[in-house]
Amino acid sequence: DIQMTQSPSTLSASVGDRVTITCRASQTISSRLAWYQQKPGKAPTVLIYEVSSLQSGVPSRFSGSGSGTEFTLTISSLQPDDFASYYCQQYNSYPLTFGQGTRLEIK
Amino acid sequence: EVQVVESGGGLVQPGGSLRLSCAASGFTFSDYYMDWVRQAPGKGLEWVGRIRNKANSYTTEYAASVKGRFSISRDDSKNSLYLQMNSLKTEDTAVYYCARSGSYSWCDPWGQGTLVTVSS
Repeated sequence: DIQMTQSPSTLSASVGDRVTITCRASQTISSRLAWYQQKPGKAPTVLIYEVSSLQSGVPSRFSGSGSGTEFTLTISSLQPDDFASYYCQQYNSYPLTFGQGTRLEIK
Repeated sequence: EVQVVESGGGLVQPGGSLRLSCAASGFTFSDYYMDWVRQAPGKGLEWVGRIRNKANSYTTEYAASVKGRFSISRDDSKNSLYLQMNSLKTEDTAVYYCARSGSYSWCDPWGQGTLVTVSS
């Protein structure tokens, strides 16, 4: 199985900050990586797919990058609505696997 | 609007069975693969399994933690997805989400989830 390791597990930041979340895969996953946002009590929604493609309707302050086994999600200027949990997912091989999540908190 | 809606969750005793349903609308259901993903209380996301479309013979994939106990099926005539859960364990307690997917594809959209509680 491919292990997805996210860091940090918790991130405290302020409105306007630039933040980066990292996801490392235990083996190469080509470009088959997605990022999801989840707010408390709600279902996840996709932000980024294929490493860097922005889902329709997602603000351009969200961006994704990386290749091979190391990937990042960057929020260029945090907005109040961005405080949530974030998960990466590889869909290159079965079983599909998620990172353990990053909780983004208000500092 | 593309939408999926889960139902069928509830309280079940360890060793029991439960069948979840997922109703799809707003897209050609038969063209897509469909996934189940779960989330235990206060925990992260865990992929449960996937069913491919008719063109790919409705074949399935499962996580090791549920293989042999859970079964995914679909009825394209009803735009519906199912998750049959047998031999349930307390560690199967979670919110279960269905989501549209595809070959080498991410999950989008997700339903609102249905809570399954396994407890005596």
